[in-house]
Parts: sequence; C-alpha cells; structure tokens
Amino acid sequence: DADVTQTPRNRITKTGKRIMLECSQTKGHDRMYWYRQDPGLGLRLIYYSFDVKDINKGEISDGYSVSRQAQAKFSLSLESAIPNQTALYFCATSDFTGQGGGGSYNEQFFGPGTRLTVL
Amino acid sequence: DAKTTQPTSMDCAEGRAANLPCNHSTISGNEYVYWYRQIHSQGPQYIIHGLKNNETNEMASLIITEDRKSSTLILPHATLRDTAVYYCIVSPGNTPLVFGKGTRLSVIA
Repeated sequence: DADVTQTPRNRITKTGKRIMLECSQTKGHDRMYWYRQDPGLGLRLIYYSFDVKDINKGEISDGYSVSRQAQAKFSLSLESAIPNQTALYFCATSDFTGQGGGGSYNEQFFGPGTRLTVL
Repeated sequence: DAKTTQPTSMDCAEGRAANLPCNHSTISGNEYVYWYRQIHSQGPQYIIHGLKNNETNEMASLIITEDRKSSTLILPHATLRDTAVYYCIVSPGNTPLVFGKGTRLSVIA
C-alpha cells in the first residue's frame, strides 16, 4: 500500500551495528505497529503505538526500541544488531473504526517491508 | 498466541471456488474474525472481517457459524493471482492483530 512507506527496503549490516528502520504513513491513522517475519512463520509484533505519546511492547521487543516522532512516523531501532535479527520487517497502521451495534474493529494497513540481513 | 487453527496448505483449481476453513473455538463475544493474505513477501493485505453475520465484499465472502467457533473464507473464482498465504485472525477491535502461520493456498492452472 503506497500510503505506508518503509525505508530502507533492503539493508545488509554487520553484527554490533546500530540500525534504524523508518516508517511513514499518509493515511492519517493514529495507530502504528512494527512486526517481524521469519521464513515460514507468521508475523510477530515487536512494538506498537496508539498515538504520539503512547508506546507499547509487543511479543518480541527485546533488542529493539522505537520512536514515534509524529503521528505519521514510527521508527524501529536495533541498538546492536545480531544475526538472529535477520528477518523481514513490516510496519502497519490502523484507525480505530467504530461499527454500529458491534463495537469497533481494527483494519491494519501494511507497508511493503524491509528485508534486513545481519552478518 | 494465535487463537485459530488453519490447514497448513490447500490447492484449488483456477476458476473454482476456494474455501479456506478456520477454527476458533475459544473466540470471545467481542472478538472479530479477520482474514488477511500475504502474496510472496509483500505486506499482508486485508480481505474481510466479521463479527456474527456472514459478510461479502468484492474480494471474498466470509461465512461464520452460528456458534462462532469456526468460519470459512470463500474466494468465488480463484485465479493464479490468489496464490498466497491466508491468515485467519480473531481479535477484539482495540488490540493489535496476532498472526499465526496461516494457510498456503496454491491456485493451479
């Protein structure tokens, strides 16, 4: 979805280096997420943010940190990259949408992904 | 933890309906059923969601059993471009989605 962009799209780095992955969105959504995907597995949640002042850990936050610089930007950092952080990383956004009679649902829009290789 | 059970893989002939099952026997009353798909290594794409009633949109239909313990995603006329991993997710509206391993659907010419 062109409304959610990720940079870089591909990155090769060495063990111990600091890496930042960036996500930007033009959808005007308050909620943003970072997931990682390993080969043959589903996506696992790293961090998420429901608004600019909100940061929450996901299932696998160890070794990662995030920054929500603005509503439209959510960055993921690997302070000291290690080989088992080699994966495909996805950013996603959503807007908390009310639906009459049944509460609210959460449709997430994903970016194209960043393929990170740590040597 | 993924709260759903899906077959690991399925095949479907091109032009035929693809019926993808999902079991979610522990679903709570406030949880929606979502379906997403991921083509190759692209970002997952939303397909459809439902709470209690069956739903249909331009991509697919979602059939939810009356007890809500299972559902079926139907692609009415599968094409080669529908080859993807399909994820069935149950989640309340106010939490991030949790993905399992999904079903790898192969559409065969």
